[in-house]
Amino acid sequence: EDKVVQSPLSLVVHEGDTVTLNCSYEVTNFRSLLWYKQEKKAPTFLFMLTSSGIEKKSGRLSSILDKKELFSILNITATQTGDSAIYLCAVGASGTASKLTFGTGTRLQVTL
Amino acid sequence: DTEVTQTPKHLVMGMTNKKSLKCEQHMGHRAMYWYKQKAKKPPELMFVYSYEKLSINESVPSRFSPECPNSSLLNLHLHALQPEDSALYLCASNLRQGPVNEQFFGPGTRLTVL
Repeated sequence: EDKVVQSPLSLVVHEGDTVTLNCSYEVTNFRSLLWYKQEKKAPTFLFMLTSSGIEKKSGRLSSILDKKELFSILNITATQTGDSAIYLCAVGASGTASKLTFGTGTRLQVTL
Repeated sequence: DTEVTQTPKHLVMGMTNKKSLKCEQHMGHRAMYWYKQKAKKPPELMFVYSYEKLSINESVPSRFSPECPNSSLLNLHLHALQPEDSALYLCASNLRQGPVNEQFFGPGTRLTVL
């Protein structure tokens, strides 16, 4: 059975800190890993990673995938209170009709 | 138009009621999804439609009945629900069914079953 594990489960940091969120996976026929940010409502798409070693970057957020070690990290630099959210990692595999397997998420709280 | 919309935002229903959730997208996406999300849990896949045909049913009870009238619209018909069905129901879409296309989520319908 496909499995996605995120760590830490929750994290409290001060504004301005840098955080690293982790996602490891055991998936047959891996094709993609996606990061989402979820505040009160729907998950908002952040990144999709399919190749090892290529960093995706958007402002203060960046992510990279290691397909050999089966993990990804999401970095947030100079955190702001608006970064407070649950960050979800999901993995897509071929042969499973585009079903995404989600991790349980990391709850990030950024305080002043 | 680059969003997925869902109505209603909130719904309260009794166990004998029949109601429907609606999802719409105008991005030309041909795969649409229903997820259920309980508090502090990740989204759980319920159904997948690909080119308006049901391609995945994750063993969802028959009191949930999906419908895809056209490529832009996805409905979820609810009947005789139980209190444990109370959750956030999320609709998502992507260009085509497949693991290398990102799914975009709607804002969700928060359902309470009394």
